[in-house]
Amino acid sequence: QKEVEQDPGPLSVPEGAIVSLNCTYSNSAFQYFMWYRQYSRKGPELLMYTYSSGNKEDGRFTAQVDKSSKYISLFIRDSQPSDSATYLCARGTGTASKLTFGTGTRLQVTL
Amino acid sequence: GAGVSQTPSNKVTEKGKYVELRCDPISGHTALYWYRQSLGQGPEFLIYFQGTGAADDSGLPNDRFFAVRPEGSVSTLKIQRTERGDSAVYLCASSSLDRGSYNEQFFGPGTRLTVL
Repeated sequence: QKEVEQDPGPLSVPEGAIVSLNCTYSNSAFQYFMWYRQYSRKGPELLMYTYSSGNKEDGRFTAQVDKSSKYISLFIRDSQPSDSATYLCARGTGTASKLTFGTGTRLQVTL
Repeated sequence: GAGVSQTPSNKVTEKGKYVELRCDPISGHTALYWYRQSLGQGPEFLIYFQGTGAADDSGLPNDRFFAVRPEGSVSTLKIQRTERGDSAVYLCASSSLDRGSYNEQFFGPGTRLTVL
């Protein structure tokens, strides 16, 4: 079983929709989770990070971790065409640790 | 300020050749990471440098892959006897390790390697 599993999509939504992107993880050790956004032919850029439980909000983005079900979610409110990208969830375990990424979900927001 | 830069942006080579990929991290970042991203996949960890030394090279797939960071800044990923399966985007990331308990890594645009 992979450490982090993510549905690759693609996911297509109309502008203004609420988007829900999800990952599952398998390890219960101390960890944190990150959501990166990657535009085509660019490197990933960090959107948000969260620790093992709870919600975190930043503007139109909310990151959520459900420890009991080992589920990680990213919600995007009022989605915009500029949100069209691949969204990668990642798991880290320490201050300097490598990141373990999911497959990435490709999102298309249409006008 | 300047972000992570990688050169070349594209590299096409023939099977069996040797290639070098270069990464310039953000100035002052002590940690440097190499990842490989195949088509339709997320980045996969290869190696991590803390300063000049490789702190974790557990992701290198075999002994054809080698990386150096001689002065603790620029890093070079070297691939010997390239194979078609090495074709991927090679991403470099750097981190200042000053975020407390999480590791914010800043990624470069990647080098797209194609082995014919």
